[in-house]
Amino acid sequence: KAGVTQTPRYLIKTRGQQVTLSCSPISGHRSVSWYQQTPGQGLQFLFEYFSETQRNKGNFPGRFSGRQFSNSRSEMNVSTLELGDSALYLCASSQTGFEAFFGQGTRLTVV
Amino acid sequence: DAKTTQPTSMDCAEGRAANLPCNHSTISGNEYVYWYRQIHSQGPQYIIHGLKNNETNEMASLIITEDRKSSTLILPHATLRDTAVYYCIVIEFGNEKLTFGTGTRLTIIP
Repeated sequence: KAGVTQTPRYLIKTRGQQVTLSCSPISGHRSVSWYQQTPGQGLQFLFEYFSETQRNKGNFPGRFSGRQFSNSRSEMNVSTLELGDSALYLCASSQTGFEAFFGQGTRLTVV
Repeated sequence: DAKTTQPTSMDCAEGRAANLPCNHSTISGNEYVYWYRQIHSQGPQYIIHGLKNNETNEMASLIITEDRKSSTLILPHATLRDTAVYYCIVIEFGNEKLTFGTGTRLTIIP
């Protein structure tokens, strides 16, 4: 079956702009989680959605938001981009209680 | 904060068994031990998980001590493609929030 698909793979944005990243989970998976990976902070949990509801949230400012659609596809949005938001953003899907499957990520560069 | 402690880096000769330790001394009774790995610039990949019994799958074996305060991931015949950062994670069943520590950077030496 198809894996987790994230689009776009690479993105360059300017400070102050906003960005939307997309994640299509594995068919049948209702949980979608988002992570940020930077060289300094490592892999950090952003939030998790299950059946269109945010179920878990990490310690990120309100500029980071997300949503999930009825088909389980998810988007995350970052507003008012800062240089420090440059990172690899990873999406993972799972069936509750089972292992998470990660996408290849979206590499965001803020200039 | 991550609830696990792992060595920062390890080397292993190609073809030998790679044994990656993990300490999780504060693990609670309903928490599982999961292992993931991340090959450079790719998303993390699930390897194996266990509660208290030893587990084996096509990728690796997981040995959990009787007191569950530590575990060892064993890659039986390491290849160059096993070079990656390996993360040991302790998590409650049904909790989808993975807390990654710094992991162990495993380098397989030809």
